[in-house]
Order: sequence, then structure tokens, then C-alpha cells
Amino acid sequence: EPEVTQTPSHQVTQMGQEVILRCVPISNHLYFYWYRQILGQKVEFLVSFYNNEISEKSEIFDDQFSVERPDGSNFTLKIRSTKLEDSAMYFCASRQGNSPLHFGNGTRLTVT
Amino acid sequence: AQSVTQLGSHVSVSEGALVLLRCNYSSSVPPYLFWYVQYPNQGLQLLLKYTSAATLVKGINGFEAEFKKSETSFHLTKPSAHMSDAAEYFCAVSENSGYSTLTFGKGTMLLVSP
Repeated sequence: EPEVTQTPSHQVTQMGQEVILRCVPISNHLYFYWYRQILGQKVEFLVSFYNNEISEKSEIFDDQFSVERPDGSNFTLKIRSTKLEDSAMYFCASRQGNSPLHFGNGTRLTVT
Repeated sequence: AQSVTQLGSHVSVSEGALVLLRCNYSSSVPPYLFWYVQYPNQGLQLLLKYTSAATLVKGINGFEAEFKKSETSFHLTKPSAHMSDAAEYFCAVSENSGYSTLTFGKGTMLLVSP
């Protein structure tokens, strides 16, 4: 069965550094998402992306965050200047049409 | 606005016992409800979904959930727990079947002992 693939599985970065989290959605999917889960808290919506533009974003998704689909297969989340509170598990998801979301295994980001 | 409350961050059961994971929702429109499971070091996997058809929804691995509008609940059950069911379970609500974003609960860790 096709899967959403996320790399790396674990990323450690220093506060203030830029980080890029990478995702390869399922190939025929058109809607892409990023969610995050801070340890011990809820899974929270960050942003959705369709037709090469952001379709919806949450309050969490401020100017420090950006998303990009640089080619036909990758979907990236960039955090420009990481803060300690950005430490979380970041999940990429994709869907096709009216199907449920398919999630990747997540990238654990640790900001020191 | 929509929200989900999952009662109990951890639930412990013995192998073979009934599993009951509680979920209550709040939604300003008729909700679409989902249960996702996360096994260690894996992504979120859809267990089942309620999309306004039958109120009793059957999912994978023997799990089912019942939508009760009067109680605003969507509890997840399984008659007999297996060791392999040990995982974290997330209830989620959406305003429609897939177009809008999911709002998740905090998750419930299911522990299964021999």
C-alpha cells in the first residue's frame, strides 16, 4: 500500500537555526497537510496545501513557518528560526478527493 | 468551533478483556468523526470513521465505535483485547468528511497486559 514518507525521523537543531522537514506524499494525492504534536499534548493542525498554495493555516503557523512543493513529489515544512517550543513530532499527511488523511510516521524535532 | 475530549490519558486492560476508549466531541455542525491509531514509531493509521450513515461503525482489527448524538459521544470498543492492540488512540472530528481539517483529542494510550 502506498505510504506517506517523512525524513528525517529525528532532527536535532539549535535554537535560532533553520530546519526543513521533508515529506513525500502519496503520488496521486492532491491535498497536503502538516500537523504537529508537542509531547503530552494534542495533535494540532498547522497548514493545508492544495494546487500549489496554502488553503488553510492555523494560528500556530506564523511567519516563522513556510511550506513548499519544490517538485512533483516533495512537500516541505521550513521553520526559519527555531525556538525551544517548536520541539514536537511533526506529521505530514495527504489525501485524494474525499478520502481520509494518510499520515506519515512523523519527524521528531528537538530544539536545544 | 469543534473540539474533542478523550477521557483518560492511559487505559490498562488485560488480554481478552473489553476495550473501551472514550471520546466526546463538540461541533457546531453535524460532525464527521474518526479514530486513528498510532503504533510505536509509526504514523497515524485510520481505524474507522463516522460520516452520517450507520451510527455503529466497524473498523479494522475488530474495533468499532458508536455515534450517539444525544451524548455527543463516539466511544471506541473492542470485545477482546490483544497484546498487539497496545498503542495510542486518537479521536478526531471534522466538519465534513475530508475537506476541512481534523481536530484531534489528546490521545489515549492503551496498555494490554498478559
